[in-house]
Order: sequence, then C-alpha cells, then structure tokens
Amino acid sequence: EVQLLDSGGGFVQPGGSLRLSCAASGFLFTNYAMNWVRQTPGKGLECISSISSNGVTTYYADSVKGRFTISRDNSKNTLSLEMNSLRAEDTAVYYCAKGPFSDHLLSYFDHWGQGTLVTVSS
Amino acid sequence: EVVLTQSPATLSLFPGERATLSCRASQSVTISVSWYQQKPGQVPSLLIYDASNRATGIPARFSGSGSGTDFTLTISSLEPDDSAVYYCQQHINRPVTFGGGTKVEIK
Repeated sequence: EVQLLDSGGGFVQPGGSLRLSCAASGFLFTNYAMNWVRQTPGKGLECISSISSNGVTTYYADSVKGRFTISRDNSKNTLSLEMNSLRAEDTAVYYCAKGPFSDHLLSYFDHWGQGTLVTVSS
Repeated sequence: EVVLTQSPATLSLFPGERATLSCRASQSVTISVSWYQQKPGQVPSLLIYDASNRATGIPARFSGSGSGTDFTLTISSLEPDDSAVYYCQQHINRPVTFGGGTKVEIK
C-alpha cells in the first residue's frame, strides 16, 4: 500500500523558513516523480513544485520560484521542500503527492500524503 | 494559465439519484483532465484520470467523459458516503490547474 507521510509544518513569522518532509513507502520511490501541492480556502489547490524520479528536473510555480527548493533522497525514500522568505500567503496545508510517471512532471496525482499545515503570521 | 470552471458550486441530491458535475476549461486540454474527491477533513483522492479512466479501486458508479474544453463527472447512483467536494484538474499546460470544486451534499 502506498503511504506518504508529510511532516515539518508549523507556525513561522513572515520572512522565516521551514523544511517539509515526506516519507514514502509501499512503492518504488526511485521510479516516480513527486510533487508538493498546497491547499487554502481562498486559492484552492495549487501544485507548487515537482521533481523527476532522478531529481534532475524540477518545476516551481511562479508563486514560490526563488524561495522554495524541492529535493529528494532516493536512498531514504524521502521528498523535501525547503521554504524560505515565507509570506502570509504561503499559509496552507501542504501535501506531498505522487505522480504516475518517472520524468513527465505534467501529470495528475495518484496518491497524496495526509498534509501538514504551515501558518505564516506575525 | 488554463482556468477550470466547475458547476454547479453545490449539488444537493437524494441517495440513489444521479449526479452530473461539469468542468469547463478556458482552452482545449484534450483529454488531460482528472477528477478528485475530497471528503470533509480528508485528503483529496484520485477518482478519474485522462478524462474517463477510473483510478484503482474506484467504483463503477463513478464515470468521466469529455474532451477539449468540456468534461463531466457522473455519479450514477449516489450513496451517503459520496458527500464530498469534487475537483477537476488539467495537466496538459503549465501550470497544472484545478477547478474551484463542486460540493455534493446528500439529502
């Protein structure tokens, strides 16, 4: 059974940093692209970053480009998202989500983590 | 950016009735549309991919159709457990985008 366990969320002041992690199990992690999708009541669902199976190709939404960095450790079946210069509008539930392909980053999301809440406020 | 408009915003039906949810794209997305179900307090889960393919374990009462700009998710006979928000998503153009959702309420 595919399992994605998100962690690392919390409360941070504007300008601060957080690192999210996603521990994957139940599938061959090294074979699949992975993504971070966030959800807010106001903006809905937004895919903010993706990474190919080998970590070479990445994608960032304009809203986070230059501030967030996605990475993966295939030896530890772990996906990460380093978030810097956080803003109030980054407040959201962040989900790790698995893609169905290895290198094609434009895709749907066939499994989702349980989500981790990030709150950015002074 | 491809804008996905879902209608209606809310659908209130009795168990056993047929639910028809619409997703309209601002430009053609061929068949690159998926549908997700999000029950209250839960994570979105994949129902349909590539417009009409059911994801693993999804009951046959859920079906998807459409191509180009107009897509439909049909729940043939509603069950109480189908109470949720349903989202469509396109994945042919960057950025991938989601619709605003249709809330299905079971009377």
